[in-house]
Amino acid sequence: DVKVTQSSRYLVKRTGEKVFLECVQDMDHENMFWYRQDPGLGLRLIYFSYDVKMKEKGDIPEGYSVSREKKERFSLILESASTNQTSMYLCASSFTTAWADEQYFGPGTRLTVT
Amino acid sequence: GQQVMQIPQYQHVQEGEDFTTYCNSSTTLSNIQWYKQRPGGHPVFLIQLVKSGEVKKQKRLTFQFGEAKKNSSLHITATQTTDVGTYFCAGPRQAGTALIFGKGTTLSVSS
Repeated sequence: DVKVTQSSRYLVKRTGEKVFLECVQDMDHENMFWYRQDPGLGLRLIYFSYDVKMKEKGDIPEGYSVSREKKERFSLILESASTNQTSMYLCASSFTTAWADEQYFGPGTRLTVT
Repeated sequence: GQQVMQIPQYQHVQEGEDFTTYCNSSTTLSNIQWYKQRPGGHPVFLIQLVKSGEVKKQKRLTFQFGEAKKNSSLHITATQTTDVGTYFCAGPRQAGTALIFGKGTTLSVSS
């Protein structure tokens, strides 16, 4: 079974802090994704990566950056956390770069910025 | 820009009633995927449809892909309390291997 793990289930940070959210997948997947999920807004893509050190902006990249130094690990960075970044953050991975394959999601990190 | 829309946003049914959620894309899709997210959980892949007019069944769930490959539906026959959750459809973005998700339909079931 594919396993996608995220570093924290719950996180509370202060405004202005730099926040790191980590995601690890154990199935040698090519693609990794970061989403945020807010009530009524569904899943919104922040960034994705199709290879090590490669990244693509999604729909809402402002205020975020990402890092993929190793194939299995994809980090989401909030450079200076703000209260409007309070949300559920979901990481996902998929196998191939040939097409938009099914995605496997991690359990999510609920981030609260105070 | 590319959009995937789902209706209804919420649906409440009595246990045993049927349920349908509809998904419409602004563009033709090469495939459509469906995911289920239980309350407090994360989205889990259910199925992928690829062919025009394709119909697939998983027990009480029936998935359909429209002839024009721009719409899809998920029908649940005789809902059970275990069907509670949010159902998302998703299609490939116009470039790359990412998906664009609909906003989901949240199903609640009372016994």
